[in-house]
Amino acid sequence: EDKVVQSPLSLVVHEGDTVTLNCSYEVTNFRSLLWYKQEKKAPTFLFMLTSSGIEKKSGRLSSILDKKELSSILNITATQTGDSAIYLCAVEVQGAQKLVFGQGTRLTINP
Amino acid sequence: SQTIHQWPATLVQPVGSPLSLECTVEGTSNPNLYWYRQAAGRGLQLLFYSVGIGQISSEVPQNLSASRPQDRQFILSSKKLLLSDSGFYLCAWSNGAANEKLFFGSGTQLSVL
Repeated sequence: EDKVVQSPLSLVVHEGDTVTLNCSYEVTNFRSLLWYKQEKKAPTFLFMLTSSGIEKKSGRLSSILDKKELSSILNITATQTGDSAIYLCAVEVQGAQKLVFGQGTRLTINP
Repeated sequence: SQTIHQWPATLVQPVGSPLSLECTVEGTSNPNLYWYRQAAGRGLQLLFYSVGIGQISSEVPQNLSASRPQDRQFILSSKKLLLSDSGFYLCAWSNGAANEKLFFGSGTQLSVL
């Protein structure tokens, strides 16, 4: 059974801290890994990763995929209260036309 | 540009009552359509997906059903709701090509009492 596991499930830090969120997967035929941010309702897309070792960056957020370790990390530097959200990791399985999601990490940034 | 509409935003229903949640997509044709459920504080569980009109794949056996009567319309239904059907329901679409990036609707918070 295809599985995506995120850790930690919950994280509380102070504004300005740097955080690292983890995602590991076990799937039959990996195609890509995606990160989403869910603040209130609809998750919004952050990154799609297909190649190992190539960092994707958007402002203070960055992510990298390690296909050998079957994992990915999402880094957020100089966190702000607006970064508080649930961060979802999902894996696309080759030929399956669907994404398998992890449980999410609830990140809370305190001022 | 493409948009996705999902309604209602919130719904409170008694146990045993029927359910119909609707989702429509604009600005694209032949999208892949998805229904996910998110229990409080949890990740997204895929319920149904559809790659074309009348084509529905069910991911988990349950009390719910889905239909796709038109290319850009996806409906989630139940004949008799259970307490365990409570949750946050998200509709999503993708372009059905190699890129499976999903675009989500704003969700429906369903409370079954």
